[in-house]
Amino acid sequence: GQNIDQPTEMTATEGAIVQINCTYQTSGFNGLFWYQQHAGEAPTFLSYNVLDGLEEKGRFSSFLSRSKGYSYLLLKELQMKDSASYLCAVRDYELTGGGNKLTFGTGTQLKVEL
Amino acid sequence: GAVVSQHPSRVICKSGTSVKIECRSLDFQATTMFWYRQFPKQSLMLMATSNEGSKATYEQGVEKDKFLINHASLTLSTLTVTSAHPEDSSFYICSAERRGSGSGYTFGSGTRLTVV
Repeated sequence: GQNIDQPTEMTATEGAIVQINCTYQTSGFNGLFWYQQHAGEAPTFLSYNVLDGLEEKGRFSSFLSRSKGYSYLLLKELQMKDSASYLCAVRDYELTGGGNKLTFGTGTQLKVEL
Repeated sequence: GAVVSQHPSRVICKSGTSVKIECRSLDFQATTMFWYRQFPKQSLMLMATSNEGSKATYEQGVEKDKFLINHASLTLSTLTVTSAHPEDSSFYICSAERRGSGSGYTFGSGTRLTVV
């Protein structure tokens, strides 16, 4: 099984920077994804890490440390439209089935205020 | 880009009836499809993994006789909620894995099921 933990809620100010943390425990780690989801909609892909380090993509960056089972998503220059749920998801390679499984964390509801 | 079409987007059914949800990969072959359920203000919970031409693998606690999954072709997977009850009301969403891509997964648009 997997334990993927994130803070439940965060609040930040427009224009600021926010960091959303994710910790995980897994046996066949094969990549970590961050998604954004607005209520009632499908998740939207933000970033992917499989090696340690920082991946930067515009206003969004994601960091991974495999030895620590830790990742964070960094959002810069926050905008009101960034208010959404942010989901950390871990891909596991399953030896028994020979395929990958994507499991989501608890999700972090981010509220951006003026 | 890769698209997964999910239908219906919303469905209301009477308690005791069955509902079928379809997911089609429109421009790629989806050998593996994942089915998730999401309750309000909660994250996506993996229900099962379906592989084309074989039986689905269900997560612990998910009743395979209640949530029937069929993945008969490389472009179509279906989830049937049998004998639906109000507690089955949820947001159901599928996802297909696209190999060789860093972004990896394409999601359907989701189905809001309400059982009355």
